[in-house]
Amino acid sequence: DIQMTQSPSSLSASVGDRVTITCRASQSISSYLNWYQQKPGKAPKLLIYAASSLQSGVPSRFSGSASGTDFTLTISSLQPEDIATYYCQQSYITPITFGQGTRLEIK
Amino acid sequence: QVQLQESGPGLVKASETLSLTCTVSGGSISSYYWSWIRQPPGKGLEWIGYVYYSGNTNYNPSLQSRVTISADTSKNQFSLKLSSVTAADTAVYYCARSTYGGPFDVWGQGTMVTVSS
Repeated sequence: DIQMTQSPSSLSASVGDRVTITCRASQSISSYLNWYQQKPGKAPKLLIYAASSLQSGVPSRFSGSASGTDFTLTISSLQPEDIATYYCQQSYITPITFGQGTRLEIK
Repeated sequence: QVQLQESGPGLVKASETLSLTCTVSGGSISSYYWSWIRQPPGKGLEWIGYVYYSGNTNYNPSLQSRVTISADTSKNQFSLKLSSVTAADTAVYYCARSTYGGPFDVWGQGTMVTVSS
């Protein structure tokens, strides 16, 4: 199985801050990397697909990038509604696997 | 737009079979992959497996011996059966849509299933 390792596991930031979450794959997954936002009691919501493509309707402050097996989700200016847990997921090969999640809190 | 809705018992006895159905509305089940994903309370996401509308399936090896996922194109539904459940199978179960190698772009709201002893 491909292991997806996210860092940090939790993060506290202030409104307006630039926030970066990293996901590392245990082997090459090309650009088959997706990012989700999950709020308490809700289903995950797709933010970024194919490492850097913004899903329709998602605010442009969210962006994704890739370098080899390292992937990054960036929120350019944190908003109060961005408080959530974020997951990365590889869709390169089955079994499909997710990162363990990064909990984002407001400082 | 396409919407997914999970349905099934919220309480299952240990050693029995968990059965859930996902109803697809606003679109056809054809030409997509339909997955089940679960999330134990306070934990992360685990992919269980998918079914293609044609009936082809792919399961997570960690659950393969206990899982069956099937599709019913006439009802625009797909289903999950997980046998010999234990307390470790207590989770919120989500159904979700994807293309091959693509992201999960549509999700159901999730349904909580508790395994009781």
